[in-house]
Amino acid sequence: GQQLNQSPQSMFIQEGEDVSMNCTSSSIFNTWLWYKQEPGEGPVLLIALYKAGELTSNGRLTAQFGITRKDSFLNISASIPSDVGIYFCAGRINYGGSQGNLIFGKGTKLSVKP
Amino acid sequence: KAGVTQTPRYLIKTRGQQVTLSCSPISGHRSVSWYQQTPGQGLQFLFEYFSETQRNKGNFPGRFSGRQFSNSRSEMNVSTLELGDSALYLCASSLRLESNYGYTFGSGTRLTVV
Repeated sequence: GQQLNQSPQSMFIQEGEDVSMNCTSSSIFNTWLWYKQEPGEGPVLLIALYKAGELTSNGRLTAQFGITRKDSFLNISASIPSDVGIYFCAGRINYGGSQGNLIFGKGTKLSVKP
Repeated sequence: KAGVTQTPRYLIKTRGQQVTLSCSPISGHRSVSWYQQTPGQGLQFLFEYFSETQRNKGNFPGRFSGRQFSNSRSEMNVSTLELGDSALYLCASSLRLESNYGYTFGSGTRLTVV
C-alpha cells in the first residue's frame, strides 16, 4: 500500500532548541495534516495544509506543503517540555478528483530535556 | 462540546473470542473512521462510515467489521481474535466523508489479546 516516510523516528533535544521533522511520499498528496499524540490519548490535529507551497503557523509550530506535493515539514521553535509526544504527518493522495484514505506516517517521537 | 467518546478504554480478551468497540462521534459529525495503532505498523486505516454505509475500507481481513447507526454512533467488531490484534483502536469523526479538514480522534480502546 501507499506509504509516508516520516523522519526522524525519534529526537532527543534540549529545552529551547528548534525542531524539524518531515514526511515524504512517492505519490502526490492534495492534503497534508500534522497531528500530535500524547500518552494515553488520541492524535490531536495541529496544522492542516491544502495547497502546494502553503506555509501555515500555529503558535510556535510552522508547517509547509512541499512544492512537489510529495512532501511536508513541521518545525517547532523554542521547544518546551510540553512539546513531548509523537508527531504524525497524514495525507490524502490525489486520485485525480477522487479522494483516497487518510494515510499516516509512522511518527516522530519527541523528547525534551528541561 | 463533547469530544469523540470511545468505550471501553481498556479490554482484555482471549484468543478466539470476539469483541465489539463503540464510538460516539462529536455531535453533528456524520463520518466515523476507525484506525488500528500498533508500535510496529503505526496508524492503519480500517474503514470509514458515513450515513450508515461503509464508504472506504483498508486492507484488513474480514474478521474486522463495523457498522454505523442512524445517530452516527459506530461500532467495530473483531471476530476470532488473534494475538496480533492487540492494539490501540482509534475512532475519529468529521463533518463530512473523506474530510480534508482533519479528523477529531477519541482516546482509543486499548485491546489486549492473551
